[in-house]
Formats: sequence, C-alpha cells, structure tokens
Amino acid sequence: DADVTQTPRNRITKTGKRIMLECSQTKGHDRMYWYRQDPGLGLQLIYYSFDVKDINKGEISDGYSVSRQAQAKFSLSLESAIPNQTALYFCATSSFEGGELFFGEGSRLTVL
Amino acid sequence: GNSVTQMEGPVTLSEEAFLTINCTYTATGYPSLFWYVQYPGEGLQLLLKATKADDKGSNKGFEATYRKETTSFHLEKGSVQVSDSAVYFCALTPLYNFNKFYFGSGTKLNVKP
Repeated sequence: DADVTQTPRNRITKTGKRIMLECSQTKGHDRMYWYRQDPGLGLQLIYYSFDVKDINKGEISDGYSVSRQAQAKFSLSLESAIPNQTALYFCATSSFEGGELFFGEGSRLTVL
Repeated sequence: GNSVTQMEGPVTLSEEAFLTINCTYTATGYPSLFWYVQYPGEGLQLLLKATKADDKGSNKGFEATYRKETTSFHLEKGSVQVSDSAVYFCALTPLYNFNKFYFGSGTKLNVKP
C-alpha cells in the first residue's frame, strides 16, 4: 500500500458543487501539504500544515479550505467549484527534519 | 525571493543519448536543491538532492552538481533509456525554512527506442 493515499483519484463535477479531496499517510510525518499542478506551471502550494493545530495558506489558497483531522489526515475542500480549478492535486508529507517531500499519486479533478 | 527556472520541454532523445536538463535558481543564502521525477500516472518522487555548494547528487545514473557561482543544478545522464521518459522537476528549499519547497515548471523527457 502507498504511504500517502489520496481519494478520489479522479472526479468530475459541476460548477458550484462542493468537493472534498482526502489524504491519509502512514509515514508518521507531522507536516502535510496540498499542491496543485497545471500543465506548464509546475506545482503551486495551496495549504500546508505543520501539525494538527497549525494550518497555513500557500500561494493560491483562494477558493480552497483545508481540515487537519488528525496527524495522518489532511483534507482539501472546494466549497463551490469553478472550471479553472480543473487540475491535478497532490498531497505530500515531510518529516520535522524536512529535506524531502513524499507525494501521493494525485487526484485529477475536472469541473464542468 | 525564491524561484526555480528550468528549461522548457519537451525534450526528445533517442535511447542511449546524453541528457542535460538545465535548472537555475534564485534564493537567499544557501538553499538545498532537488530533482524530482514524475512518471506517467504517478506522483512525484525524489530523484536526487544536494544540500551545499559543490555537492553532487546522484541516483539511477542521473547526476546534478550544486553550483553556487552560477546558481545552477543541471540534471545529466550519460545514456538515457526509454524507461526514463517522465517529467522532471527542479526544486529548492530555503536555508531558513526546510519545509517550504519551490518548484520549477517541469521538463518532459521523451526517450524513443
């Protein structure tokens, strides 16, 4: 089983719908991240969390919210999805010492 | 500020050709530098890293040397294989914040048999 698991892997939804992407990890890491990948733009940081009580906005947090339910779980929500949120979303983790990100396999979201 | 610039792709090579993917960075102080690889349908995974000037990271035949004087971390491989076809990302973490990563836009490599 993957160390960082994302669900769903693929989702098609309509404009205005609420969507939640979930991430769970078995690496025991404190730090968790949500990134968005668009073709030609690399990865952009949406939110990150250094522990259960610590949530921080990244570069592109508008239109998104997160919840850190436990050390191992970090969810990303789109309260009212819009077409330009169509992208590939990645969850990642790192240890306190840092130095490497461990990624999930990604969640492909299409907003019609 | 911190940023990473890498060469645009796609890069198309024949099997056994020499590969170079250029990466330059802007950062305060001495960042740590990384190359991540993304195979089709998968998440990113660490390929190699270097944490100080003149360090050489290496893995699976790939190498990159941390060049402070040219602020570069170019990825090289002497003989590519079809299985190396993937998207390669250069990234850095600043000296003062090892958990803040800055990624380049990615370079797609296609290797033809």
